[in-house]
Amino acid sequence: DGGITQSPKYLFRKEGQNVTLSCEQNLNHDAMYWYRQDPGQGLRLIYYSQIVNDFQKGDIAEGYSVSREKKESFPLTVTSAQKNPTAFYLCASRSAPGINYGYTFGSGTRLTVV
Amino acid sequence: AQTVTQSQPEMSVQEAETVTLSCTYDTSESDYYLFWYKQPPSRQMILVIRQEAYKQQNATENRFSVNFQKAAKSFSLKISDSQLGDAAMYFCAYRGNSGNTPLVFGKGTRLSVIA
Repeated sequence: DGGITQSPKYLFRKEGQNVTLSCEQNLNHDAMYWYRQDPGQGLRLIYYSQIVNDFQKGDIAEGYSVSREKKESFPLTVTSAQKNPTAFYLCASRSAPGINYGYTFGSGTRLTVV
Repeated sequence: AQTVTQSQPEMSVQEAETVTLSCTYDTSESDYYLFWYKQPPSRQMILVIRQEAYKQQNATENRFSVNFQKAAKSFSLKISDSQLGDAAMYFCAYRGNSGNTPLVFGKGTRLSVIA
């Protein structure tokens, strides 16, 4: 079955440490997205990518970095510059416009700073 | 920039009753998509319904329907015959149809269903 796989499900980070969240899709979607979810804030866009080797900053990109070396993969690195990284992170991909146009979401990664 | 506003942080409904969740958005575009997503306690995002702005007919999916008022920039979700499994966070989202605009979300409405 096609879908998006995020790993790990839970991640703990020490102060000053960089961590990478994995996002892999086998849907052949060109566009991929990273969102951060905090209580009462909805989903806020961190980074997005429309094609391989290209990506754009979202509304809250500071302290995060991404890469898009393969169509299937869009990993997110939370750097030590991100002062408040504890949150739930969702990865998504988007199908091409058409009858089944829409977004597919992964099951998320819960990141906690310890 | 486009914004999406959900003015009801929390709502509750009796089982088998009907509830309407509100959503307004701000845009200067004429062609766009609107979505309602459900996020249950598992936190998996589930598409409830989608509306293309160029379609005047309101979208319907079983017990879920929308009231799309383009001029008023309003996109409310009606849930009929509410069930316990409908309890979740509901997010309204917007995507313009020009360029590379991403999906923009409202802050969500937490729906409780009372047995």
